[in-house]
Amino acid sequence: EIVMTQSPATLSVSPGERATLSCRASQSVSSNLAWYQQKPGQAPRLLMYGASTRGTGIPARFSGSGSGTEFTLTISSLQSEDFAVYYCQQYNNWPQTFGQGTKVEIK
Amino acid sequence: EVQLVESGGGLVQPGRSLRLSCTASGFTFGDYAMSWVRQAPGKGLEWVGFIRSKGYGGTTEYAASVKGRFTISRDDSKSIAYLQMNSLKTEDTAVYYCTRAPYTVVAGTHYYYYMDVWGKGTTVTVSS
Repeated sequence: EIVMTQSPATLSVSPGERATLSCRASQSVSSNLAWYQQKPGQAPRLLMYGASTRGTGIPARFSGSGSGTEFTLTISSLQSEDFAVYYCQQYNNWPQTFGQGTKVEIK
Repeated sequence: EVQLVESGGGLVQPGRSLRLSCTASGFTFGDYAMSWVRQAPGKGLEWVGFIRSKGYGGTTEYAASVKGRFTISRDDSKSIAYLQMNSLKTEDTAVYYCTRAPYTVVAGTHYYYYMDVWGKGTTVTVSS
């Protein structure tokens, strides 16, 4: 199975600053990569699919890039509601697999 | 409003069975594949399994950790997806999420399914 590795495990950022999250696949997943946001006690929410296409209602401050094995999620100017855990997931191969998550916390 | 509501969770002893339901509303259920994802307490997300729409064969895929024990099915007339869990183990303890799984198509023949709508989840605790 494809192993997804996210870095860093925790990212401390001040509101208004830029956050950059990384996700690496153990083999190529083409552009079949999604990002999800999860807040405490809530279900995950789709942020990005196809590596760079925003989900419905996702603000433009979220952007995704990459293909193959290296991917990035960027939040251009962190808002208070953006502090959460972020997961990447590949859906290029079965079984689908998630990264272990990056927690974005307030600095 | 597109909505998924899971039900059927609870406390069950190891080795026993449980069936989860996912009731969909706000969209044409039969047109979509569906997936299940779980999250153990304090842990990350784990993909459990998937069922294609009937139009694409209604076939299933499973994670190795549940293959042979869990079965996903669907009743399009009721807009419900099911997760039948047999031979439960303590490590199956988790919140189970149902998701809608739309696809993108490449070269007209390769379908790639992601997860765009999630239910709130139902908790399964396996303990004696």
